[in-house]
Amino acid sequence: GPKVLQIPSHQIIDMGQMVTLNCDPVSNHLYFYWYKQILGQQMEFLVNFYNGKVMEKSKLFKDQFSVERPDGSYFTLKIQPTALEDSAVYFCASSLEQGGNTEVFFGKGTRLTVV
Amino acid sequence: QQNVQQSPESLIVPEGARTSLNCTFSDSASQYFWWYRQHSGKAPKALMSIFSNGEKEEGRFTIHLNKASLHFSLHIRDSQPSDSALYLCAPLSGSFNKLTFGAGTRLAVCP
Repeated sequence: GPKVLQIPSHQIIDMGQMVTLNCDPVSNHLYFYWYKQILGQQMEFLVNFYNGKVMEKSKLFKDQFSVERPDGSYFTLKIQPTALEDSAVYFCASSLEQGGNTEVFFGKGTRLTVV
Repeated sequence: QQNVQQSPESLIVPEGARTSLNCTFSDSASQYFWWYRQHSGKAPKALMSIFSNGEKEEGRFTIHLNKASLHFSLHIRDSQPSDSALYLCAPLSGSFNKLTFGAGTRLAVCP
């Protein structure tokens, strides 16, 4: 079936540095999402993105976070600068349409460790 | 702010058993209700969704939805070891496919 690929699966970064998480969404999908899961907690919505714009973001999407998908390539989440509390698994997702009965496909996640 | 609670946290059942997983939500405006399944080390994958009150069956899996009681559930008939996974419920709210996930129920089906 359709797959969302996330690279790398694990990344370790020094606090204060910049990190970019990469996501290769399903090829014909138009809507893109990031979710964050802190260890032992549930997966929480961060942001969704359509037609080059952020459509909705949660309070977890701090000013240090940004998303983009330049020229239809990877959908990225950039954190600059990183903080210890940014350590989590970040899941990328995509969907073809916006309707509630449209399946949202998830990647396996990138585990980010900020030290 | 949607609050989603799942019960039980974990469950061990013998192969062939009927399994029931529960989910409550707080936003009465939620319109679609999804169950996702995540096998260890894999991506969460959509299992089923429901829109209207009532019941929906797909193979061994059945969803019940009761919007008035803010409750939906997943039932697995003839549970198989391959059903062992983390099950996540996720009501959808807002205009942009925003899913709010519960913490999950970890199911183990023993042969």
